[in-house]
Amino acid sequence: DVKVTQSSRYLVKRTGEKVFLECVQDMDHENMFWYRQDPGLGLRLIYFSYDVKMKEKGDIPEGYSVSREKKERFSLILESASTNQTSMYLCASRTPESPLHFGNGTRLTVT
Amino acid sequence: KNEVEQSPQNLTAQEGEFITINCSYSVGISALHWLQQHPGGGIVSLFMLSSGKKKHGRLIATINIQEKHSSLHITASHPRDSAVYICAAGRTNKLIFGTGTLLAVQP
Repeated sequence: DVKVTQSSRYLVKRTGEKVFLECVQDMDHENMFWYRQDPGLGLRLIYFSYDVKMKEKGDIPEGYSVSREKKERFSLILESASTNQTSMYLCASRTPESPLHFGNGTRLTVT
Repeated sequence: KNEVEQSPQNLTAQEGEFITINCSYSVGISALHWLQQHPGGGIVSLFMLSSGKKKHGRLIATINIQEKHSSLHITASHPRDSAVYICAAGRTNKLIFGTGTLLAVQP
């Protein structure tokens, strides 16, 4: 069974801090994704990666960057956290032919 | 108008009822996804379909490509089906998500 693991379930950070959200998948999936989920807006794509060191911007990349140095790990970086980045962050992975597999999410609060 | 729209937004049903959740989309798709999210829980993929109909247990998903419409049906609903159901449509790496349907099944 595919497992997507996000490093933290809850995170509280201060405005201006650099924040790292880590995601690891164990099924050798090529594609990995970072979404944020906000009430009334649904899931929105921040960045995705289709191979090691390859990345593409999603719909809302501003204020975020990503890193994929190894196939199984995809990191989301908030360079300088702001209060409008308070949200639920969800990592997912898939092959082009498979459904999405999600992690349990990280609820980030920026104060 | 959103590119992926779900209806209804909220649905309350009695245990045993037949439930239908609808999804209309305006984007080009390689597949349409139905997802389930329990309160405080992660998201689980229920179906990925590009044509016709799929069935898994009491859940059935259908899609009409010409009409750009999909439905998720739950037969003999149970309180454990209470969750948010999310439709997503688009190409492999760029899915557009609906805002979800909150389903409450009362015993």
